[in-house]
Amino acid sequence: DVKVTQSSRYLVKRTGEKVFLECVQDMDHENMFWYRQDPGLGLRLIYFSYDVKMKEKGDIPEGYSVSREKKERFSLILESASTNQTSMYLCASSGGKSYEQYFGPGTRLTVT
Amino acid sequence: AQRVTQPEKLLSVFKGAPVELKCNYSYSGSPELFWYVQYSRQRLQLLLRHISRESIKGFTADLNKGETSFHLKKPFAQEEDSAMYYCALSAPSGGFKTIFGAGTRLFVKA
Repeated sequence: DVKVTQSSRYLVKRTGEKVFLECVQDMDHENMFWYRQDPGLGLRLIYFSYDVKMKEKGDIPEGYSVSREKKERFSLILESASTNQTSMYLCASSGGKSYEQYFGPGTRLTVT
Repeated sequence: AQRVTQPEKLLSVFKGAPVELKCNYSYSGSPELFWYVQYSRQRLQLLLRHISRESIKGFTADLNKGETSFHLKKPFAQEEDSAMYYCALSAPSGGFKTIFGAGTRLFVKA
């Protein structure tokens, strides 16, 4: 059973703080993704990675960066948090020849 | 450009009534289409994919390439079907990325 875990379920940060969101998967998946989920906008892809140390920008990368030093771990970094980054952040992974994505429980980030 | 459109943000039906969640996509080749579901306080998960041609929890979805649609249907809605549903598209040209629609919240009333 694929397990994708995220470091925090809820996070409250102040404007300007550096924020780290961690995601770990245990199925040896090559591909990992970070989305933000907002009402009426669905899931929007921030960044994805198809291999260790590889990363690709998604649709809304501005204000974010990522790190993938190990295959199982994909980190999302908000260099200087802003209030418009208040959102639900979802991590996902996929592997093999399948496009199916497995999601983590999400981190609800509030920036005040 | 690849796009997935779910025209309804909210769909409310009575228990036992048929339900259809609409999904239209734009892609010129042969994509893979999915429906994902998110129940209250649960993580987003795959409901079904078009290549499997299977029925999951009574839901089916047929890919209509002529109309570029992948509507999700169930003949008799149940209260436990209340959830957020996302239609999604993946294609070889996009690598392993998946494009999600904005989602439709289904509310099944008793």
